[in-house]
Amino acid sequence: DSGVTQTPKHLITATGQRVTLRCSPRSGDLSVYWYQQSLDQGLQFLIQYYNGEERAKGNILERFSAQQFPDLHSELNLSSLELGDSALYFCASSPQVGGFSYGYTFGSGTRLTVV
Amino acid sequence: GENVEQHPSTLSVQEGDSAVIKCTYSDSASNYFPWYKQELGKRPQLIIDIRSNVGEKKDQRIAVTLNKTAKHFSLHITETQPEDSAVYFCAAIPSGSARQLTFGSGTQLTVLP
Repeated sequence: DSGVTQTPKHLITATGQRVTLRCSPRSGDLSVYWYQQSLDQGLQFLIQYYNGEERAKGNILERFSAQQFPDLHSELNLSSLELGDSALYFCASSPQVGGFSYGYTFGSGTRLTVV
Repeated sequence: GENVEQHPSTLSVQEGDSAVIKCTYSDSASNYFPWYKQELGKRPQLIIDIRSNVGEKKDQRIAVTLNKTAKHFSLHITETQPEDSAVYFCAAIPSGSARQLTFGSGTQLTVLP
């Protein structure tokens, strides 16, 4: 157990629907990062939050949004889902902006399948 | 922004041989370079990292070297074992306030028995 908790582990939904992925960071970590990994692809950075505030955006579609709550857990909302959104979505946390001392700790991911 | 290139994309070695994976980065201000191992369907796990003020770091069979002048860093695995088979990602943290990791495209390492 890495200490970063992601739920659900698996999600199957239809095109056009909306889903919410949840992440609880490791205790003490203030930064949360979301990454998308499509089949046989690398890790694409989506968005970063630090202590409740958005810090950086990567290749995140306008149909996707995220937030980090006062208890530091984060949610990634994916709407108007398309087949191409099927992927593994990872959340990672680090103890400070950039996690300089320790790097990232990844959660186990949510496997999203859009049918 | 930062751009990290990783080579090779696939690598097959015989058990007991060494494996080397190389990465280059574009932002000369990047100062932290971790390596992650990802087994099929599982989360990436940090296996070793190096900071820009260090040229080499070793942890048992795994070592990482950094050449700041050339802006490249490499992962070396010695005495490879079948359980080393996985996808390996290099990454870099660029300068700036956000400092999110930029990952290379990954190397599928297969250790043949």
